[in-house]
Amino acid sequence: AQKITQTQPGMFVQEKEAVTLDCTYDTSDQSYGLFWYKQPSSGEMIFLIYQGSYDEQNATEGRYSLNFQKARKSANLVISASQLGDSAMYFCAMREAIHEDFGNEKLTFGTGTRLTIIP
Amino acid sequence: NAGVTQTPKFRILKIGQSMTLQCTQDMNHNYMYWYRQDPGMGLKLIYYSVGAGITDKGEVPNGYNVSRSTTEDFPLRLELAAPSQTSVYFCASTPSGSLYEQYFGPGTRLTVT
Repeated sequence: AQKITQTQPGMFVQEKEAVTLDCTYDTSDQSYGLFWYKQPSSGEMIFLIYQGSYDEQNATEGRYSLNFQKARKSANLVISASQLGDSAMYFCAMREAIHEDFGNEKLTFGTGTRLTIIP
Repeated sequence: NAGVTQTPKFRILKIGQSMTLQCTQDMNHNYMYWYRQDPGMGLKLIYYSVGAGITDKGEVPNGYNVSRSTTEDFPLRLELAAPSQTSVYFCASTPSGSLYEQYFGPGTRLTVT
């Protein structure tokens, strides 16, 4: 079963509008973390925002906010006032243990959403 | 501040050739990772290391080998390259095994023909 599901392969949004990128996750752990990364056409992975499972408030970083709904297991990224430079692939990821017996963790990624901002 | 660096940026290999992808970090991070990203997909973990001399397999280790002789360096070796290994390879590091942010290198785009 997929651990991270991003159901929107692509989105087109008018410049200056807000956009929500969907992410649902599956885990039985009580302690976990959710990340959003941006990957522009140049290819690098840029960390945007992090939400811990015990964080009571939704994470915010500038124009980025994470709409965390724990009961629904969703962690949607909201970008306010979109800009042309926001055009990129966006990946949702969850940290999870590599092995049950150790604290080592890895990131499990969704398949991504390609966001295109239209002038 | 260099962070995580990877070389080469691009490489074309013929089937059956071998090569080493280099990864170096200057943040004194203990934990280092190799991921691959296939076209249109997210990243998948190949190998990881929790410190010098200690490595372990991730989800997709077949066809790869790693070593970690120093804290800074974590090279990934491809033996007998196959077309299925055409991908973008990312190296990443983090201070400890509990992830709050993973620092990624710029990636190496590998094509096997």
